[in-house]
Order: sequence, then C-alpha cells, then structure tokens
Amino acid sequence: DIQMTQSPPSLSASLGDKVTITCQASQNINKYIAWYQQKPGKAPRLLIRYTSTLESGTPSRFSGSGSGRDYSFSISNVESEDIASYYCLQYDNLPRTFGGGTKLELK
Amino acid sequence: QVQLKESGPGLVQPSETLSLTCTVSGFSLTSYSVSWVRQPSGKGPEWMGRMWYDGDTAYNSALKSRLSISRDTSKNQVFLKMNSLQTDDTGTYYCTRDRGVFAYWGQGTLVTVSS
Repeated sequence: DIQMTQSPPSLSASLGDKVTITCQASQNINKYIAWYQQKPGKAPRLLIRYTSTLESGTPSRFSGSGSGRDYSFSISNVESEDIASYYCLQYDNLPRTFGGGTKLELK
Repeated sequence: QVQLKESGPGLVQPSETLSLTCTVSGFSLTSYSVSWVRQPSGKGPEWMGRMWYDGDTAYNSALKSRLSISRDTSKNQVFLKMNSLQTDDTGTYYCTRDRGVFAYWGQGTLVTVSS
C-alpha cells in the first residue's frame, strides 16, 4: 500500500496569509494526487485533482504542485471560509490512501 | 444532478454485522464505480472498497476478510456488509462516486459500535 505522509498536522494562520501543506508518498504516484477540504459534519469536498487541476468552483487562491513522491497544496490569502481540515488522496494505485490531514485554524 | 445517500443502522453491537445501503441518482451504476470510505471521528478517511461499473469489486486488504460490497442496478443501490464489528469500526461511513478521484459524496452515516 502507498503511504501518504501529510504535514503539518495543524496550522495556525492569520487572514490573508499564505499556507502550504505537503504530502509525501511512499513511492512515485505519477501526479495522481487530489486535495480535499472538509468542514465539521460534512463530507470531504474535492478541490484539486491530478496535482494542480482546480475543480469547478474552487477559488483560484488554492493551488497544487509536485511530482514523483512530493506534492504541495497552498492557499494564498487565507479567508475565514477556508478554516477546515485538508486531506491529500493518492489515486495512482489501489488501495486509495489518504494523508492524515491538516487542521487549519485562525491565529 | 448526481446524488448519493447512505442509509443503515446507527448503532451496531460488537461482533455483529454492519449493513449499509448507498442509493444513487443522476448516474448509472453500470457506467460509474462507487466506493465506500469511512472516517473515524477526528481522523483521516480510509478507503474500504469499490464496486466497479462492470460489477467487479476491489477491497482494502486490511478489511477484505470482513467486507463484502454488492449492488442492485435495478434499484440504483450499492450495499456494504462488514462482519465482526469492533469499537474501532465506529465512524462515519460514506459512499462516493469513483472515477479515480471521489468528486461526489453522500452525506455520510454515523455508525457507532457499542453494547
């Protein structure tokens, strides 16, 4: 199984900050990584697929990059509505595996 | 529009079997795969298994011995059965339309394993 090591587990930011979350896969995942946002009591919401492709409705302040084993996800100009948990997902191989998550909080 | 909805018991006794139903609309089960994903409270999601559009199945090896996924295409339903439940199986269970990524999710159903 591919392990996804996500960091940091938590992040404290001020409104307007830029924050970055990383995921490292245990092997090359050929850019097949997606990023999800999850708010309490809600299902995860797909924001980005295939490393950097924004879903319809995803604000442009969200971005993704990376290749091979190393990937990152950024939010520029954090807004209050971005306070949530974020997860990466590799979908190169079965079983699909998620990162452990990053909880974004307001400073 | 695409919709998925999970249903099933909220409380299951330890060692018993969990049975959940995912009812879908807005797409055909013979054109799209559906996966089950669960999430313990405060933890990350875990992919459990998939019903392929062609009727084949794939399971997470960690759960394979306890898990069964089936479907009824005439009713637009996908079923999950997992036996020998323990307290660490407590969490929210989701079904999701699976095209590699999971773009559409049900609202989730909370399953508590407790006597």
